[in-house]
Amino acid sequence: VIWMTQSPSLLSASTGDRVTISCRMSQGISSYLAWYQQKPGKAPELLIYAASTLQSGVPSRFSGSGSGTDFTLTISCLQSEDFATYYCQQYYSFPWTFGQGTKVEIK
Amino acid sequence: QVQLQESGPGLVKPSQTLSLTCTVSGGSISSGSYYWSWIRQPAGKGLEWIGRIYTSGSTNYNPSLKSRVTISVDTSKNQFSLKLSSVTAADTAVYYCARELETGAADYWGQGTLVTVSS
Repeated sequence: VIWMTQSPSLLSASTGDRVTISCRMSQGISSYLAWYQQKPGKAPELLIYAASTLQSGVPSRFSGSGSGTDFTLTISCLQSEDFATYYCQQYYSFPWTFGQGTKVEIK
Repeated sequence: QVQLQESGPGLVKPSQTLSLTCTVSGGSISSGSYYWSWIRQPAGKGLEWIGRIYTSGSTNYNPSLKSRVTISVDTSKNQFSLKLSSVTAADTAVYYCARELETGAADYWGQGTLVTVSS
């Protein structure tokens, strides 16, 4: 099983801030990583796959980078609708696994 | 626009079998190179991938649940299903069905359904 360490678990930020979320793997996964956004009471939504490919319809302020074991999700200019919980997911080897989540809250 | 909808009992007794169905609309479950998966989330916790199925019937399961899980597909009804046997309170969660791209990222999700295991 590939374990993932996502940090921070809680991030306090203001509208307009640039925020960065990290996801570190217990072993290399090439670029087989996705990022999701989840709002309370809703299903997760795919933001980025293949580590850096923006899903259709996702605003360009979201970007992903990294390969191997270290990955980053960046929101360049935080908007009010971006306050949510973010998860990384590896799909390099079974079982697919998710990070513990990062809650982005209003500062 | 593909849509997925979970259905099934919201309350299951301990030791019994949890059964859920996901109905896919807006496209054929057999078209394209997609997998159809189940993911769950206990209240206030993270996401756990349960398993997936291809329309050929080929499956992949999470080893932590493999002995209790069966995922099946009915292409004539555009549905796929989850059965989880011998449930305990630890199986209480919101269960999501999702469409996985061939590579593994899930691009469409159902709204989720809460299943509580309690007597």
